[in-house]
Formats: sequence, C-alpha cells, structure tokens
Amino acid sequence: GQNIDQPTEMTATEGAIVQINCTYQTSGFNGLFWYQQHAGEAPTFLSYNVLDGLEEKGRFSSFLSRSKGYSYLLLKELQMKDSASYLCAVMDSNYQLIWGAGTKLIIKP
Amino acid sequence: IAGITQAPTSQILAAGRRMTLRCTQDMRHNAMYWYRQDLGLGLRLIHYSNTAGTTGKGEVPDGYSVSRANTDDFPLTLASAVPSQTSVYFCASSVEVYGELFFGEGSRLTVL
Repeated sequence: GQNIDQPTEMTATEGAIVQINCTYQTSGFNGLFWYQQHAGEAPTFLSYNVLDGLEEKGRFSSFLSRSKGYSYLLLKELQMKDSASYLCAVMDSNYQLIWGAGTKLIIKP
Repeated sequence: IAGITQAPTSQILAAGRRMTLRCTQDMRHNAMYWYRQDLGLGLRLIHYSNTAGTTGKGEVPDGYSVSRANTDDFPLTLASAVPSQTSVYFCASSVEVYGELFFGEGSRLTVL
C-alpha cells in the first residue's frame, strides 16, 4: 500500500529552526508537496520538489531524496504565526496525491 | 478576490437527509477536487474532475456524487447522509491535474 509518515506533533521555540520530516512509500513518484494549514483554515501551498536537492523560499526550505523516499521542511527564524499543521503529500504514478496526516507545530515564546 | 467559494460553511443535518455542498471557483482552473479531512488522517480524495464534463472517483467515493457541468462549479451531493460522513469537506482546484492546489475555506458537516 501507499504510505506517508510524518511526526504527529513537534514543539519549537520562537526564533529557532525546526525540521519536519516526511517519509513515503508510493506507487511511482511525480513530485512532493508541502502545505501549511492553520487551525480551522484551508491548506495553503508552500513548496514542490520533483528533483533531489534543496529548494529555498525565504524562511522555508524543502529537501527531497527520491532514493531514500524522504523529504523535510526546514523552517528558520520561527515566528508565532508559524504555529500550524504542515502537510506532506506525494503525487504517485497516476498523478493522484497521497497525503500524510500532518505535523502539528507548536511555537513557544 | 479570485479564489474558491464553498457553501455552506457549517451544517448540521439528520441522518438520511440529502445534502449538497456547493463549490465555485473563478480562476478558470481545469481540475477540481473534493476532499474530506478527519482528525488523525490525511486528506482523502472523494471525487475529482480533470476538466468540465468529466468526473472520476477518488479514494472514498461511496455515498457521494459530483457533477461538473461547467468550469466554475463542482457540487458534492450526499444522497442519504450517515453519521460517518461527519467531517470537514474541502473543495480544491488546480490549473492542471499535477499542479498546486488552491483550497476553499471548507464546509464543516455534522450528521446526527
């Protein structure tokens, strides 16, 4: 079966750096997405990786290793507004998105 | 403001009732999707439409139906609601089937 694993919850301190991991086992691979979802709101797109390596976008970076079935989202200079759930999703060979359950990130002052 | 509009935002209904969740987008996106989100689970695809006039079944289609008569509208119908359909429902769209998703604000449905 297809599976996406990410930690259920993480806690970090304002101003620090946090890395949220995502491992996947899917039928084929056509890219990996990260979305941010604040409580009670809709998910919003953060990043897309289809090739190995690091993609940087401001305070957020996303890394992909296809051979290891692994990605991480790196958040730098954490702000209170970064408290949210972070969803990892992989597009399989049929262009269907397989979603992880999400990682709830709690930022403490 | 361009985007996706869902209605209703929240609804409580009795089991056995028929319910339609509405979704309208004004971005002229080809693909549209309906997901449900339940605590502890990833988003699960109910139905999708790659372009107007076509629809397909997702991971959890039973008990739901959709139509795509035009580019903008993609309603989701529960023919006879059951308590297990209590969930938050998100409509989403993308320019193409492999692209970034844009989500509506969600419809919280409670079936008693």
